[in-house]
Amino acid sequence: SAVISQKPSRDICQRGTSLTIQCQVDSQVTMMFWYRQQPGQSLTLIATANQGSEATYESGFVIDKFPISRPNLTFSTLTVSNMSPEDSSIYLCSVEVQAGGSYNEQFFGPGTRLTVL
Amino acid sequence: GNSVTQMEGPVTLSEEAFLTINCTYTATGYPSLFWYVQYPGEGLQLLLKATKADDKGSNKGFEATYRKETTSFHLEKGSVQVSDSAVYFCALKEGAGTALIFGKGTTLSVSS
Repeated sequence: SAVISQKPSRDICQRGTSLTIQCQVDSQVTMMFWYRQQPGQSLTLIATANQGSEATYESGFVIDKFPISRPNLTFSTLTVSNMSPEDSSIYLCSVEVQAGGSYNEQFFGPGTRLTVL
Repeated sequence: GNSVTQMEGPVTLSEEAFLTINCTYTATGYPSLFWYVQYPGEGLQLLLKATKADDKGSNKGFEATYRKETTSFHLEKGSVQVSDSAVYFCALKEGAGTALIFGKGTTLSVSS
Protein backbone atom coordinates (compact mmCIF):
# COMPACT_ATOMS: atom_id res chain seq x y z
CA SER A 1 0.00 0.00 0.00
CA ALA A 2 0.94 3.66 0.00
CA VAL A 3 0.13 6.60 2.21
CA ILE A 4 -0.14 9.86 0.34
CA SER A 5 -0.27 13.37 1.75
CA GLN A 6 -1.08 16.55 -0.11
CA LYS A 7 -0.48 20.18 0.71
CA PRO A 8 -2.38 22.38 0.96
CA SER A 9 -5.58 20.55 1.79
CA ARG A 10 -7.58 23.50 0.57
CA ASP A 11 -7.04 27.05 -0.64
CA ILE A 12 -8.97 30.04 -1.88
CA CYS A 13 -7.13 31.98 -4.56
CA GLN A 14 -7.64 35.04 -6.68
CA ARG A 15 -7.93 34.72 -10.44
CA GLY A 16 -4.71 35.25 -12.33
CA THR A 17 -2.55 33.80 -9.57
CA SER A 18 -0.87 30.37 -9.41
CA LEU A 19 -0.95 27.63 -6.80
CA THR A 20 1.51 24.77 -6.35
CA ILE A 21 0.18 21.55 -4.84
CA GLN A 22 2.58 19.13 -3.23
CA CYS A 23 2.22 15.36 -3.12
CA GLN A 24 4.34 13.24 -0.78
CA VAL A 25 4.32 9.43 -0.70
CA ASP A 26 5.62 7.24 2.11
CA SER A 27 7.40 4.86 -0.29
CA GLN A 28 9.20 5.03 -3.60
CA VAL A 29 6.87 4.74 -6.56
CA THR A 30 7.50 4.89 -10.27
CA MET A 31 4.12 6.02 -11.52
CA MET A 32 2.35 9.09 -10.21
CA PHE A 33 -0.79 10.60 -11.62
CA TRP A 34 -2.61 13.90 -11.18
CA TYR A 35 -6.39 14.04 -11.46
CA ARG A 36 -8.97 16.79 -11.31
CA GLN A 37 -12.45 16.38 -9.88
CA GLN A 38 -14.67 19.30 -10.73
CA PRO A 39 -17.70 19.92 -8.49
CA GLY A 40 -20.14 17.05 -8.77
CA GLN A 41 -18.10 15.40 -11.49
CA SER A 42 -15.89 12.38 -11.90
CA LEU A 43 -12.12 12.22 -11.83
CA THR A 44 -10.33 13.33 -14.97
CA LEU A 45 -6.69 12.48 -15.54
CA ILE A 46 -4.53 15.56 -16.03
CA ALA A 47 -1.14 13.95 -16.51
CA THR A 48 1.16 11.07 -15.70
CA ALA A 49 4.39 11.99 -13.94
CA ASN A 50 7.34 9.61 -14.04
CA GLN A 51 10.56 10.38 -12.25
CA GLY A 52 13.33 11.39 -14.61
CA SER A 53 11.12 12.23 -17.57
CA GLU A 54 8.69 14.94 -18.57
CA ALA A 55 5.08 14.53 -17.59
CA THR A 56 2.66 13.19 -20.18
CA TYR A 57 -0.50 15.29 -20.46
CA GLU A 58 -3.96 14.16 -21.45
CA SER A 59 -5.97 15.83 -24.15
CA GLY A 60 -7.22 19.19 -22.97
CA PHE A 61 -4.41 19.77 -20.49
CA VAL A 62 -1.18 21.59 -21.32
CA ILE A 63 2.13 22.03 -19.57
CA ASP A 64 1.95 25.81 -19.53
CA LYS A 65 -1.26 25.67 -17.53
CA PHE A 66 -0.41 22.67 -15.32
CA PRO A 67 3.37 22.36 -14.97
CA ILE A 68 4.43 19.28 -13.04
CA SER A 69 7.68 18.44 -11.32
CA ARG A 70 8.83 14.98 -10.25
CA PRO A 71 12.23 15.40 -8.63
CA ASN A 72 12.36 11.98 -6.96
CA LEU A 73 10.42 8.76 -6.40
CA THR A 74 8.41 10.04 -3.40
CA PHE A 75 7.44 13.58 -4.35
CA SER A 76 5.68 15.56 -7.05
CA THR A 77 4.15 18.99 -7.50
CA LEU A 78 1.35 20.25 -9.70
CA THR A 79 1.02 23.97 -10.36
CA VAL A 80 -2.24 25.48 -11.49
CA SER A 81 -1.19 28.61 -13.36
CA ASN A 82 -3.03 31.81 -14.17
CA MET A 83 -6.12 30.53 -12.42
CA SER A 84 -9.70 31.27 -13.35
CA PRO A 85 -12.91 30.27 -11.54
CA GLU A 86 -13.19 27.31 -13.93
CA ASP A 87 -10.13 25.82 -12.23
CA SER A 88 -12.07 25.43 -8.99
CA SER A 89 -11.82 21.71 -8.36
CA ILE A 90 -10.38 19.05 -6.15
CA TYR A 91 -6.93 18.04 -7.35
CA LEU A 92 -5.81 14.54 -6.45
CA CYS A 93 -2.46 12.87 -6.53
CA SER A 94 -2.40 9.13 -7.16
CA VAL A 95 0.35 6.53 -7.19
CA GLU A 96 0.62 3.04 -8.59
CA VAL A 97 1.89 0.25 -6.39
CA GLN A 98 2.61 -3.28 -7.48
CA ALA A 99 0.13 -5.61 -5.82
CA GLY A 100 1.35 -8.94 -7.12
CA GLY A 101 1.20 -10.69 -10.49
CA SER A 102 0.20 -8.44 -13.32
CA TYR A 103 -2.03 -6.31 -11.16
CA ASN A 104 -1.02 -2.88 -9.91
CA GLU A 105 -3.18 -0.89 -7.55
CA GLN A 106 -3.65 2.86 -7.46
CA PHE A 107 -3.87 4.79 -4.23
CA PHE A 108 -5.16 8.32 -3.88
CA GLY A 109 -4.22 11.25 -1.75
CA PRO A 110 -6.85 13.17 0.22
CA GLY A 111 -7.05 15.87 -2.42
CA THR A 112 -6.55 19.62 -2.52
CA ARG A 113 -9.77 21.60 -2.70
CA LEU A 114 -9.15 24.75 -4.74
CA THR A 115 -11.57 27.64 -5.00
CA VAL A 116 -10.77 30.45 -7.41
CA LEU A 117 -12.59 33.74 -6.94
CA GLY B 1 -10.18 4.92 -26.57
CA ASN B 2 -11.02 3.30 -23.28
CA SER B 3 -14.08 4.50 -21.40
CA VAL B 4 -16.46 3.64 -18.58
CA THR B 5 -20.19 4.29 -18.55
CA GLN B 6 -22.20 4.24 -15.34
CA MET B 7 -25.89 4.59 -14.72
CA GLU B 8 -26.94 8.10 -13.92
CA GLY B 9 -27.86 8.94 -10.36
CA PRO B 10 -28.87 9.78 -7.86
CA VAL B 11 -30.09 6.43 -6.61
CA THR B 12 -32.38 6.71 -3.61
CA LEU B 13 -33.19 3.59 -1.60
CA SER B 14 -34.65 2.61 1.71
CA GLU B 15 -32.54 0.71 4.19
CA GLU B 16 -32.34 -3.04 3.47
CA ALA B 17 -33.26 -2.57 -0.19
CA PHE B 18 -31.35 -4.31 -2.98
CA LEU B 19 -28.82 -2.20 -4.86
CA THR B 20 -27.61 -2.45 -8.43
CA ILE B 21 -25.43 0.17 -10.08
CA ASN B 22 -24.75 -0.61 -13.72
CA CYS B 23 -21.32 -0.18 -15.25
CA THR B 24 -20.15 -1.01 -18.75
CA TYR B 25 -16.78 -0.42 -20.29
CA THR B 26 -14.98 -0.07 -23.60
CA ALA B 27 -11.38 -1.18 -23.77
CA THR B 28 -8.91 -2.20 -26.43
CA GLY B 29 -7.26 -4.86 -24.27
CA TYR B 30 -8.07 -6.80 -21.12
CA PRO B 31 -8.39 -4.29 -18.32
CA SER B 32 -8.73 -4.73 -14.60
CA LEU B 33 -12.01 -3.35 -13.27
CA PHE B 34 -12.67 -1.51 -10.04
CA TRP B 35 -15.31 0.10 -7.90
CA TYR B 36 -14.22 3.05 -5.79
CA VAL B 37 -16.31 4.77 -3.14
CA GLN B 38 -16.21 8.35 -1.91
CA TYR B 39 -18.03 8.92 1.37
CA PRO B 40 -19.17 12.46 2.17
CA GLY B 41 -16.18 14.62 3.03
CA GLU B 42 -13.70 11.79 2.58
CA GLY B 43 -11.17 10.67 0.02
CA LEU B 44 -11.47 8.02 -2.64
CA GLN B 45 -11.29 4.42 -1.44
CA LEU B 46 -11.03 1.17 -3.33
CA LEU B 47 -14.16 -0.88 -2.68
CA LEU B 48 -13.50 -3.97 -4.79
CA LYS B 49 -11.71 -5.16 -7.89
CA ALA B 50 -11.57 -7.91 -10.51
CA THR B 51 -8.55 -8.48 -12.67
CA LYS B 52 -9.82 -10.93 -15.27
CA ALA B 53 -13.00 -12.21 -16.88
CA ASP B 54 -15.44 -14.07 -14.59
CA ASP B 55 -13.65 -12.86 -11.46
CA LYS B 56 -15.96 -11.67 -8.70
CA GLY B 57 -14.81 -8.85 -6.47
CA SER B 58 -16.44 -8.49 -3.08
CA ASN B 59 -16.10 -6.31 0.00
CA LYS B 60 -18.41 -5.04 2.76
CA GLY B 61 -21.35 -6.95 1.28
CA PHE B 62 -20.85 -5.44 -2.17
CA GLU B 63 -20.15 -7.66 -5.17
CA ALA B 64 -19.35 -7.20 -8.83
CA THR B 65 -18.55 -9.79 -11.51
CA TYR B 66 -16.29 -9.10 -14.48
CA ARG B 67 -18.40 -10.04 -17.52
CA LYS B 68 -16.32 -9.93 -20.66
CA GLU B 69 -19.16 -11.03 -22.95
CA THR B 70 -21.27 -8.04 -21.93
CA THR B 71 -18.32 -5.76 -21.05
CA SER B 72 -19.96 -5.08 -17.71
CA PHE B 73 -19.05 -4.84 -14.03
CA HIS B 74 -22.30 -4.11 -12.21
CA LEU B 75 -22.16 -3.37 -8.50
CA GLU B 76 -24.68 -5.13 -6.25
CA LYS B 77 -25.53 -5.31 -2.60
CA GLY B 78 -28.33 -7.36 -1.14
CA SER B 79 -29.26 -5.06 1.73
CA VAL B 80 -28.04 -1.48 1.84
CA GLN B 81 -27.51 0.53 5.00
CA VAL B 82 -27.67 4.25 5.65
CA SER B 83 -23.89 4.18 6.04
CA ASP B 84 -23.57 3.10 2.39
CA SER B 85 -24.67 6.56 1.25
CA ALA B 86 -21.79 7.77 -0.91
CA VAL B 87 -20.67 8.31 -4.48
CA TYR B 88 -19.62 5.14 -6.30
CA PHE B 89 -17.21 5.19 -9.21
CA CYS B 90 -16.60 2.39 -11.67
CA ALA B 91 -13.12 2.41 -13.18
CA LEU B 92 -10.82 0.45 -15.44
CA LYS B 93 -7.06 0.13 -15.70
CA GLU B 94 -5.53 -1.26 -18.84
CA GLY B 95 -2.37 -2.48 -17.18
CA ALA B 96 0.71 -1.59 -15.23
CA GLY B 97 1.84 1.93 -15.92
CA THR B 98 -1.51 3.14 -17.14
CA ALA B 99 -3.89 5.37 -15.23
CA LEU B 100 -7.32 4.51 -13.94
CA ILE B 101 -10.16 5.74 -16.12
CA PHE B 102 -13.31 6.57 -14.19
CA GLY B 103 -17.00 6.62 -14.93
CA LYS B 104 -19.00 9.69 -13.99
CA GLY B 105 -19.98 8.35 -10.58
CA THR B 106 -23.34 7.41 -9.10
CA THR B 107 -24.63 9.01 -5.93
CA LEU B 108 -26.39 6.60 -3.59
CA SER B 109 -28.63 7.91 -0.85
CA VAL B 110 -30.06 5.43 1.66
CA SER B 111 -32.75 6.48 4.11
CA SER B 112 -33.88 4.71 7.26
